[in-house]
Amino acid sequence: AQSVTQLDSQVPVFEEAPVELRCNYSSSVSVYLFWYVQYPNQGLQLLLKYLSGSTLVKGINGFEAEFNKSQTSFHLRKPSVHISDTAEYFCAVSKNTNAGKSTFGDGTTLTVKP
Amino acid sequence: ETGVTQSPTHLIKTRGQQVTLRCSSQSGHNTVSWYQQALGQGPQFIFQYYREEENGRGNFPPRFSGLQFPNYSSELNVNALELDDSALYLCASSSGQGDRNEQFFGPGTRLTVL
Repeated sequence: AQSVTQLDSQVPVFEEAPVELRCNYSSSVSVYLFWYVQYPNQGLQLLLKYLSGSTLVKGINGFEAEFNKSQTSFHLRKPSVHISDTAEYFCAVSKNTNAGKSTFGDGTTLTVKP
Repeated sequence: ETGVTQSPTHLIKTRGQQVTLRCSSQSGHNTVSWYQQALGQGPQFIFQYYREEENGRGNFPPRFSGLQFPNYSSELNVNALELDDSALYLCASSSGQGDRNEQFFGPGTRLTVL
């Protein structure tokens, strides 16, 4: 079985400030890790994924995440946020490289204030 | 290239009724996954269809059932609706296995059970 814990349900931050959204996971088998963004009244969009190789992965919209196997974490970061980054962010794990049959965390609401 | 579409957008049903939700997968995709996203929570995996066969199921009762058609579109059927079935239902399509693939989400169907 696998589970995902997103440690912060809400993260308020000012525009142009850095942000980190935290994600921890547990699994009895090797998994792949994903971050998604969900804007109001829309489906989920893939931000980035870790499958193998370098533990620092870069995604769209200037986001990056670091896989830490010893701490079973996959935190999402952005050095400078914009108002348009306000959205819900989900961390997910899957035994499949294409993220099929994923287990999701409960999400973190990122609110960027002017 | 047409993305993943879902219908209807919104739906209101009463307890005990039955509902059918529809999903058209992205062109070239043969795999569809369905997720239930309750308010304030992350998506939960319901089941996946690959080439018209069920290919994995989450922790949902048998009254949640599905179909995939030869054109790879899919339906989610829920019988004997309960109040707790109120949620956003998301479908995601992908082109099978392979680490260059990802699942693409539709905008969802919001189901309200009264």
